[in-house]
Amino acid sequence: SAVISQKPSRDICQRGTSLTIQCQVDSQVTMMFWYRQQPGQSLTLIATANQGSEATYESGFVIDKFPISRPNLTFSTLTVSNMSPEDSSIYLCSVEGSGTDTQYFGPGTRLTVL
Amino acid sequence: EDQVTQSPEALRLQEGESSSLNCSYTVSGLRGLFWYRQDPGKGPEFLFTLYSAGEEKEKERLKATLTKKESFLHITAPKPEDSATYLCAVLGGSQGNLIFGKGTKLSVKP
Repeated sequence: SAVISQKPSRDICQRGTSLTIQCQVDSQVTMMFWYRQQPGQSLTLIATANQGSEATYESGFVIDKFPISRPNLTFSTLTVSNMSPEDSSIYLCSVEGSGTDTQYFGPGTRLTVL
Repeated sequence: EDQVTQSPEALRLQEGESSSLNCSYTVSGLRGLFWYRQDPGKGPEFLFTLYSAGEEKEKERLKATLTKKESFLHITAPKPEDSATYLCAVLGGSQGNLIFGKGTKLSVKP
């Protein structure tokens, strides 16, 4: 399994500002995934990020709101733009294990928007 | 519509009291069913992958089973440290993504 770290682990932000979340993996991976976990809800996939190509967004999520970078095979960022209180969630990145369909998750970033 | 439903939402057990968590799913082209454990303030921790009906996996006090419509996570003689939210997810469906249930919050009292 991969070792995944995320920064920051938590943050409290003001409405209208933006926050960039970093995800670092200890090995090279093809695909990285970004999820949102709202209170009392299941994990919802935001987008899939492949190195060297544009991220693929799921229905209900747009690039202007959640821009993603994937500069290399071990790192990705997710920006939550023009935040509102409804963006308060845990944001998680994950990667697939080598040669498997199993996804391994980072520790998450707990975001509170005031 | 691809869907994953977990029950119960919450389960309280006494230490040593065995029970089962349920995950029912409707998804076309199931490629795998996954169980995760999530502790408060942490990301999901992988437990098991099941690929076909009849398959079983075990790890310590946990055993996961799979049928064509549902999966069970059996907990035998649980301990307080087993307290966590258990998440079920399926891979497949029209989008080919990982679809999560809302989880079962397990509390084990000493």
